[in-house]
Amino acid sequence: AQSVTQLDSQVPVFEEAPVELRCNYSSSVSVYLFWYVQYPNQGLQLLLKYLSGSTLVKGINGFEAEFNKSQTSFHLRKPSVHISDTAEYFCAVSGGGYNKLIFGAGTRLAVHP
Amino acid sequence: GAGVSQSPSNKVTEKGKDVELRCDPISGHTALYWYRQSLGQGLEFLIYFQGNSAPDKSGLPSDRFSAERTGGSVSTLTIQRTQQEDSAVYLCASSVQRDTQYFGPGTRLTVL
Repeated sequence: AQSVTQLDSQVPVFEEAPVELRCNYSSSVSVYLFWYVQYPNQGLQLLLKYLSGSTLVKGINGFEAEFNKSQTSFHLRKPSVHISDTAEYFCAVSGGGYNKLIFGAGTRLAVHP
Repeated sequence: GAGVSQSPSNKVTEKGKDVELRCDPISGHTALYWYRQSLGQGLEFLIYFQGNSAPDKSGLPSDRFSAERTGGSVSTLTIQRTQQEDSAVYLCASSVQRDTQYFGPGTRLTVL
């Protein structure tokens, strides 16, 4: 079975500061890893994904994540956040024959001026 | 191009009534997924369609829940005899095989 743990339920940060949202996963098979963002009253939007290859993945809106197989982690980072980054962020894993996503509980990022 | 659309966007119903939620996937996407997002349970997988077949229904919480997909396109999620614990946002996603899933805006279901 697969599972995802997002270590922080809420992360407050000031505008233009760096941020890291942590994600750890467990799986007995090779996995694909994803970060999605959800703005208030909207659906989920893909930020970035790791399928294979380079462990550093760059996504939209200046976000990046690094796949670390030995630590089973896929932390999301941004060097300088904006007020508009305030949203809920979900880490997800899939594996096996198709892409059923297993989500973490989410991290609410609150960017303050 | 058009993304995944869902209707209605909001649905308020009384306990015991049946509801139908609709999902229109992106054209050409063969895979379709339903998820549920609730305060207590987070984001949960419900069911997966490949074409018109549902090889994985493992996430459906009870036999009151059913789903179908016709013509390899539109899908309907039906909840019979709704209960208050069914209140949630129901999200649909579609993809091309094992590629990225694109999500719709969701249907917010409130059971009174």
